[in-house]
Amino acid sequence: DIQMTQSPSSLSASVGDRVTITCQASQDISNYLNWYQQKPGKAPKLLIYDASNLETGVPSRFSGSGSGTDFTFTISSLQPEDIATYYCQQYDNLLTFGQGTKVEVK
Amino acid sequence: EVQLLESGGGLVQPGGSLRLSCASSGFTFSSYAMSWVRQAPGKGLEWVSAISGSGDSTYYADSVKGRFTISRDNSKNTLYLQMNSLRAEDTAVYYCAKAGTTVVNLGWFDPWGQGTLVTVSS
Repeated sequence: DIQMTQSPSSLSASVGDRVTITCQASQDISNYLNWYQQKPGKAPKLLIYDASNLETGVPSRFSGSGSGTDFTFTISSLQPEDIATYYCQQYDNLLTFGQGTKVEVK
Repeated sequence: EVQLLESGGGLVQPGGSLRLSCASSGFTFSSYAMSWVRQAPGKGLEWVSAISGSGDSTYYADSVKGRFTISRDNSKNTLYLQMNSLRAEDTAVYYCAKAGTTVVNLGWFDPWGQGTLVTVSS
């Protein structure tokens, strides 16, 4: 089984800050890595697929990069509406989610 | 507009069974793989199962293999999850989700339904 390790588990940042979340796979998953946003009480929403492709309609302040085992998700300028938990998900071998990163505003 | 509406959740005793449904609209249902993902209270996301657009291929997480069965009725645009031998640790909100592409069965999923709560307790 492929394990996905996200860090940090939570973070607090100010509006306008650059926020970075990392996701590490237990083995090489090429670019088979997606990122989701889940706001409290809501279903997850796809933001990034195949490591770096922005889903249609998603603001350009969200971006992703990486390949192999190490991946990064970035919010270039944090907005109040970005308060949520973010999950990475691999699909190289079945599906596995990271444990999530809760983003809060200072 | 793509819409996914789960139903069938509720309270069930340990060892019991439950069948979840996910009614879909707004897209060509038979062209897309579908998946079930669950979220225990206050916890993260856990993938449960997926099925190809034709229904010929099914996939399961080890935690539910042999107890859960995924299926679909493309004539009714509906996805199902039959859950047997339920345990307390199966307590969660269960989401259905549509594959983001017709190219692969297991890839990215969007959108997701609003979820249905399954509580396993005596």
